[in-house]
Amino acid sequence: EVQLVESGGGLVQPGGSLRLSCAASGFTFSNYWMHWVRQAPGKGLVWVSRINSDGRSIGYADSVKGRFTISRDNAKNTLYLQMNSLRAEDTAVYYCARGPVGHYFDYWGQGSLVTVSS
Amino acid sequence: QSALTQPRSVSGSPGQSVAISCTGTSSDVGGYNYVSWYQQHPGKVPKLMIYDVSERPSGVPDRFSGSKSGNTASLTISGLHAEDEADYYCCSYAGSYTLAFGGGTKLTVL
Repeated sequence: EVQLVESGGGLVQPGGSLRLSCAASGFTFSNYWMHWVRQAPGKGLVWVSRINSDGRSIGYADSVKGRFTISRDNAKNTLYLQMNSLRAEDTAVYYCARGPVGHYFDYWGQGSLVTVSS
Repeated sequence: QSALTQPRSVSGSPGQSVAISCTGTSSDVGGYNYVSWYQQHPGKVPKLMIYDVSERPSGVPDRFSGSKSGNTASLTISGLHAEDEADYYCCSYAGSYTLAFGGGTKLTVL
């Protein structure tokens, strides 16, 4: 069974940093693209970032470019999102999602809530 | 990237058909056959319903179908069921290694 479990969310002050992790199991992690998608409370889905299977192809939404860094450790079956210079508008549930290719998501984690507030 | 444009809400009665549109530009929806659709019930995780414009994953009822014309993609749900009431989001590849979602459409089954 495919499982994606996010961790690392919490409350952080504006300007602060946080690192999210997504532990994958039930499939060959190193064969898949992985994505981060966020959803602010009561709002819609917003794509954040994606990384290909070997980590060499990466993309970011304009709203996070230069502040967030996506990475993966295929030996640990884990996806990461390093978030720096956090702003109130980054407050959201962050989902990791698996992509058979780079442009859609077939499995999603349960999400990790990030709250940016003083 | 700009968000794709979806109607905020649509509605239909059980057994009827509804279509949800997703309008972008030639740089995203119109430029690639990489449109996908997701269903999200309140408090739940999104679920893939359609990928590559019109492909349906295994387990998704054939009542759900996708299409595209120019810069607009559509999700059609035929023979509405009460459990189809949910939020629906389109997503498209937008070039330069980026993706874009639509703002979401709330489907109400009357």
